[in-house]
Amino acid sequence: QVQLVESGGGVVQPGRSLRLSCAASGFPFSSYGIHWVRQAPGQGLEWVAVIWYDGSKKYYGDSVKGRFTISRDNSKNTLYLQMNSLRAEDKAVYYCARERLSGSSWYSDMDVWGQGTTVTVSS
Amino acid sequence: DIQMTQSPSSVSASVGDRVTITCRASQGISSWLAWYQQKPGKAPKLLIYAASSLQSGVPSRFSGSGSGTDFTLTISSLQPEDFATYYCQQANSFPLTFGRGTKVETK
Repeated sequence: QVQLVESGGGVVQPGRSLRLSCAASGFPFSSYGIHWVRQAPGQGLEWVAVIWYDGSKKYYGDSVKGRFTISRDNSKNTLYLQMNSLRAEDKAVYYCARERLSGSSWYSDMDVWGQGTTVTVSS
Repeated sequence: DIQMTQSPSSVSASVGDRVTITCRASQGISSWLAWYQQKPGKAPKLLIYAASSLQSGVPSRFSGSGSGTDFTLTISSLQPEDFATYYCQQANSFPLTFGRGTKVETK
């Protein structure tokens, strides 16, 4: 079935780095843009980043720009989020989510989500 | 950035009630609006896209309307499984932004 599975979360000290992964299955990964969305404890949803289906374009939220890098390996059906210079406010559940594709057009809403991976930034 | 203002932040309702949630964009976004449902400990689920299109598999008691800056999500007859938090999201331009959520609680 169509599935996204995140991994790589954990506890990290402020200022350190962490890389999240999102493994896709059940659909043609290389045909879809993929987003990262996060949710701090007890808070709402915050969009983090998106990468085009072919990796040609990337966009970031203001709070992570310059610190986080989104990338993908279509040969491995895997999405990544490299998180550098982590701050306490980066503590959250991180979801990867698939961009909706209708016909031959992509839309920036998200129709398939992973279960999330938790990042805790603490000394 | 486009700000999304969602109201109310919470609503108390009973099974069978009609529930309406509104979302206002800080600038026009045409019909590029999505609604999600999230239950505790779970990932969000897409309910409505393009302001009024029902995602496959979503019950028809959910409906969306609006365009430009003002949007509405309506649950026509609240069911037990509908108690959850609902978020709007503008899909017009990057950075994408979400409303702060509306929690539908039991009266």
